[in-house]
Amino acid sequence: GQQLNQSPQSMFIQEGEDVSMNCTSSSIFNTWLWYKQEPGEGPVLLIALYKAGELTSNGRLTAQFGITRKDSFLNISASIPSDVGIYFCAGQSGYALNFGKGTSLLVTP
Amino acid sequence: KAGVTQTPRYLIKTRGQQVTLSCSPISGHRSVSWYQQTPGQGLQFLFEYFSETQRNKGNFPGRFSGRQFSNSRSEMNVSTLELGDSALYLCASSLGRRTSGSYEQYFGPGTRLTVT
Repeated sequence: GQQLNQSPQSMFIQEGEDVSMNCTSSSIFNTWLWYKQEPGEGPVLLIALYKAGELTSNGRLTAQFGITRKDSFLNISASIPSDVGIYFCAGQSGYALNFGKGTSLLVTP
Repeated sequence: KAGVTQTPRYLIKTRGQQVTLSCSPISGHRSVSWYQQTPGQGLQFLFEYFSETQRNKGNFPGRFSGRQFSNSRSEMNVSTLELGDSALYLCASSLGRRTSGSYEQYFGPGTRLTVT
């Protein structure tokens, strides 16, 4: 499958800070999804994006579908300790999802 | 609505053996996808089933196979296990149709397979 480049690989921030992460691809996707995974669990869907340029929010999370359809961004505002986890972007191609390698987020109180 | 369930949650097998993992999708979801997750390779797509038919397949050897039953439950089989097959195997379900929202995949907790 297509490789997605997700950055940064890890982030270590203080509670209350805003967080930004992004995902880029050499291929065009029709759908971008963002997931969060905690230890011992499967990924949990956070936000789904379906149109180029689309900006969607889910509480403190905001994600955007890049205008070129080759990238997507996720922002977390006012981070809290329970935001800790690994965040994955995924681009939909056919009936499969292609995942980035993830951004590991650590939040200190 | 109950989420995606996977059994067993943990499994230890020996090289050369075979293993079968099970996945029950969310009620009403007809598509089931399987992924392998390892620290080195991340999440990699294995295959996807819809209405008992495999619609898409990733780049894995033929030792990895799957099937889907009429009630949408799915099983994945790995034969002749190798040490490198140790991984978290994740199952995800979705509506599977070509409409907005149908590609949103919801994951189960995974089966942690250890091959010794």
